[in-house]
Amino acid sequence: NAGVTQTPKFQVLKTGQSMTLQCAQDMNHNSMYWYRQDPGMGLRLIYYSASEGTTDKGEVPNGYNVSRLNKREFSLRLESAAPSQTSVYFCASSEFISGQETQYFGPGTRLLVL
Amino acid sequence: AQSVTQPDIHITVSEGASLELRCNYSYGATPYLFWYVQSPGQGLQLLLKYFSGDTLVQGIKGFEAEFKRSQSSFNLRKPSVHWSDAAEYFCVISTGTASKLTFGTGTRLQVTL
Repeated sequence: NAGVTQTPKFQVLKTGQSMTLQCAQDMNHNSMYWYRQDPGMGLRLIYYSASEGTTDKGEVPNGYNVSRLNKREFSLRLESAAPSQTSVYFCASSEFISGQETQYFGPGTRLLVL
Repeated sequence: AQSVTQPDIHITVSEGASLELRCNYSYGATPYLFWYVQSPGQGLQLLLKYFSGDTLVQGIKGFEAEFKRSQSSFNLRKPSVHWSDAAEYFCVISTGTASKLTFGTGTRLQVTL
């Protein structure tokens, strides 16, 4: 199992450019998540998808859109990148056992917006 | 709303010394608690988790954590630190509903040889 994979690993954008961050998991998990990590702030939830075909906003959704393409894949799109979106982005998926959830994270995408 | 506090931003220990990383939480009921580790340039790896039952939880890499309800704490411990343990450690709380993880701000561990 590869677990949770993310592409690209690193990206530089100019202000106003768009891009899509890709995430895939091979653990047959229903729920998937996008987080951003900024210095001194831990991880903050951007969007999540509890199951295929559903998406919901998290704590910091502004400036982002998501697509749950199928059960395996969950993409994050920046339509018009801003310097404030410079961050490290993590995708996660979760398993539920006896009603208890555990999240597993990908390696991250480092995004620099100039 | 739940919250997590990691009071130590940065800790330095000598290799072979014992380690304790502090975590305090705020939540009205019994939470689900996790510790994750992030090595430089890497993603987050789950070290251990507490859902219920035995309050002393064993994890990977020789780590353990103890849930103390009376102190609202979930401190992470290791009896003898290795240089490869240098990383950032996050305490995380979940209230059990999907998507409701709250992360602490992290503690960066430096290990001196």
